[in-house]
Amino acid sequence: GDSVTQMEGPVTLSEEAFLTINCTYTATGYPSLFWYVQYPGEGLQLLLKATKADDKGSNKGFEATYRKETTSFHLEKGSVQVSDSAVYFCALLGAGSYQLTFGKGTKLSVIP
Amino acid sequence: GAGVSQSPSNKVTEKGKDVELRCDPISGHTALYWYRQSLGQGLEFLIYFQGNSAPDKSGLPSDRFSAERTGGSVSTLTIQRTQQEDSAVYLCASEPRAEYSYEQYFGPGTRLTVT
Repeated sequence: GDSVTQMEGPVTLSEEAFLTINCTYTATGYPSLFWYVQYPGEGLQLLLKATKADDKGSNKGFEATYRKETTSFHLEKGSVQVSDSAVYFCALLGAGSYQLTFGKGTKLSVIP
Repeated sequence: GAGVSQSPSNKVTEKGKDVELRCDPISGHTALYWYRQSLGQGLEFLIYFQGNSAPDKSGLPSDRFSAERTGGSVSTLTIQRTQQEDSAVYLCASEPRAEYSYEQYFGPGTRLTVT
């Protein structure tokens, strides 16, 4: 079945540092890929998405590129802020499916 | 506009009791999902409703779990004879499925603690 593997956390960075959170997936066909973010005390919010190979999703300074050859969708941000502290979830939607498959989440803490 | 709302936000119950969790989706969204978020298992799909079609219950962990969606809007997830392993955050999401947006909008969740 479909699965998502993302790097274990927690990740602690200083403000303005470069962020990478790795995500790889296993799926048949051509899934859509997502990053969701969960800020403390809040629900999941869609951060960005990519629906086909080589697409780049971007939002709020975050980017991720759908790499079919490496089955990856790594999240990056060039300069993190304290307000980026949250848990980040990589997820996929299998082709023809409707249920999201999530990774286990990576907690990011950004310190001033 | 209003997002997905869930109630209660927190629920503490004794083992063996039944609980009902409520979800109000975004108006006009035809698809509704329930997920469970727990420390050991991460986020797990539970059940999916789409319009008037029969729900996909394939993610429900046991027959103690059931859900209904009345009038294509509000949904209730019921857990009977709760067990400690049911302790988790239960998340509801809705989606304007007819538009194939592939974007699920999540509520804030209900944190269930079974003592």
